[in-house]
Amino acid sequence: GAVVSQHPSRVICKSGTSVKIECRSLDFQATTMFWYRQFPKQSLMLMATSNEGSKATYEQGVEKDKFLINHASLTLSTLTVTSAHPEDSSFYICSASTPELFFGSGTQLSVL
Amino acid sequence: GENVEQHPSTLSVQEGDSAVIKCTYSDSASNYFPWYKQELGKGPQLIIDIRSNVGEKKDQRIAVTLNKTAKHFSLHITETQPEDSAVYFCAALNYGQNFVFGPGTRLSVLP
Repeated sequence: GAVVSQHPSRVICKSGTSVKIECRSLDFQATTMFWYRQFPKQSLMLMATSNEGSKATYEQGVEKDKFLINHASLTLSTLTVTSAHPEDSSFYICSASTPELFFGSGTQLSVL
Repeated sequence: GENVEQHPSTLSVQEGDSAVIKCTYSDSASNYFPWYKQELGKGPQLIIDIRSNVGEKKDQRIAVTLNKTAKHFSLHITETQPEDSAVYFCAALNYGQNFVFGPGTRLSVLP
């Protein structure tokens, strides 16, 4: 299947700092990528749909100014958590559709 | 919109036994149904999928069945092994819409 690479796998940061997570499609071009958030022992919650060359589409309740998404090329989408706070601590996962959906390995964010 | 339910939420089986996880969906227009396996601290991995024009698909020890009339689909794992222990998610998709995931099933295969 298609390969989606996500970095970093784990990040620890201080409250108030910003964190950037990268998601790359390695062997295909992805005009659309998706960002999910997952709390312990829960299902995947779609945060936003990232569209190459245009603005992301955010799900209801997701703060677009807090979670900045950039999809500047057909193989790279980034999620920046701005002014992170402890409540932003979570597992973030990106995915791309071919149209089958393939996921990155996830990023565990811990905000101290 | 689409709603996907998944049962059971937890499942424990003895090594070598079979495991079955069932999902139901609400949108009759959904036409693609993947299953994902997620190990602790990792992203979900696509293990098998089925499209609405097929009733059953098998890949070695894993099979998926689809009943469009009843709007439910199931994952079957035979000859379970300890490495099958993980959380399994089903999903439904109507092309042009977003994937909708079930709440997950935590499978434990006991040696």
